Amino acid sequence: DQQVKQNSPSLSVQEGRISILNCDYTNSMFDYFLWYKKYPAEGPTFLISISSIKDKNEDGRFTVFLNKSAKHLSLHIVPSQPGDSAVYFCAANTGGFKTIFGAGTRLFVKA
Amino acid sequence: KAGVTQTPRYLIKTRGQQVTLSCSPISGHRSVSWYQQTPGQGLQFLFEYFSETQRNKGNFPGRFSGRQFSNSRSEMNVSTLELGDSALYLCASSSGQGAINEQFFGPGTRLTVL
Repeated sequence: DQQVKQNSPSLSVQEGRISILNCDYTNSMFDYFLWYKKYPAEGPTFLISISSIKDKNEDGRFTVFLNKSAKHLSLHIVPSQPGDSAVYFCAANTGGFKTIFGAGTRLFVKA
Repeated sequence: KAGVTQTPRYLIKTRGQQVTLSCSPISGHRSVSWYQQTPGQGLQFLFEYFSETQRNKGNFPGRFSGRQFSNSRSEMNVSTLELGDSALYLCASSSGQGAINEQFFGPGTRLTVL
């Protein structure tokens, strides 16, 4: 039972343009949503999070949007840079220290 | 501050054997979580320990077990290895308190079962 779904295995974007990574979830009890970035041969690193009581959180070039009615969130990267090429994982937790991850989306930013 | 370390980084075993993986969390962190990463499946939650107690468990068979020591270091054990256990095993540490539970991951142990 995949409670967190990332339906796009990969995404290719031109440098300088916007990257939009999408995530859907099924469990309405999730309190927090997080995005992690993973480079090859490294563990994932935390990128940005959003509480379920908010609909937007921004940190520099990264913005996460949450649509609770649609059970959907998205990560926007503007402008995209070649160094952003990585696998991005969407994750969610209920505050109970059990974090559920999606399958990941591989982002390619072309120079 | 030193990051999360995992040993060994690579491991090759044969079916039926057992394996123990080790994780040292960031100093001061009391929570350690373990994940299995396979292609197309993302990170599958195995279990989480806090102050030597297992607080959460994922949907894995009993062949997968873990423990945490008083210094917060954690070990994960897999007995009677199967080919499907080949994966990257990631350990993550956090304070174990607070709502967001931002986790810090180690580089992982790549396990290959032949």
